[in-house]
Amino acid sequence: EDQVTQSPEALRLQEGESSSLNCSYTVSGLRGLFWYRQDPGKGPEFLFTLYSAGEEKEKERLKATLTKKESFLHITAPKPEDSATYLCAVGDSGAGSYQLTFGKGTKLSVIP
Amino acid sequence: SAVISQKPSRDICQRGTSLTIQCQVDSQVTMMFWYRQQPGQSLTLIATANQGSEATYESGFVIDKFPISRPNLTFSTLTVSNMSPEDSSIYLCSVENHQEADGYTFGSGTRLTVV
Repeated sequence: EDQVTQSPEALRLQEGESSSLNCSYTVSGLRGLFWYRQDPGKGPEFLFTLYSAGEEKEKERLKATLTKKESFLHITAPKPEDSATYLCAVGDSGAGSYQLTFGKGTKLSVIP
Repeated sequence: SAVISQKPSRDICQRGTSLTIQCQVDSQVTMMFWYRQQPGQSLTLIATANQGSEATYESGFVIDKFPISRPNLTFSTLTVSNMSPEDSSIYLCSVENHQEADGYTFGSGTRLTVV
């Protein structure tokens, strides 16, 4: 059974204070690891897809990395508008399933 | 990436009644996915809807409780039937973008409260 665990559950940062969010996963065959941002009252917004260990992707202040067991979302010099819940999900290449298994998310608060 | 219009955005319903949620996509897609997001919990897949065939339900979800329609390649509905307070949740539809690197697009969600 695929599993995704995100830590910490919540994170408060001062504006400009860089940090990382963790996503640990177990999956029989990784089809892709996905990062999403979710604002209150809205659906998840796609950020990145990572496919293989060693892969990195960047978007503005965000950088996602992937190993065989976990992924990190690095946030450099965050701003208050980066406050949101960040979700990690994995797709399993086994059995032709298109299901995504999500973690519970990390709620990020950036204080001015 | 696809754009999804989901409605209603929220509703308060009496127990024992049913609510139908609609999702309209701006492009043709083979599969549409319906998720539930309970407070403090992760998104959980309810079912996968293909046009022209019955939806495929995940463990713990049944067609009588969550009937799904998929009349064409741009539209789907999810009905939450005979509701109880335990059905209070956010319901989301999703599609996989044609460019795999664009991931999955989600609707804005329907916040359902059953009283």
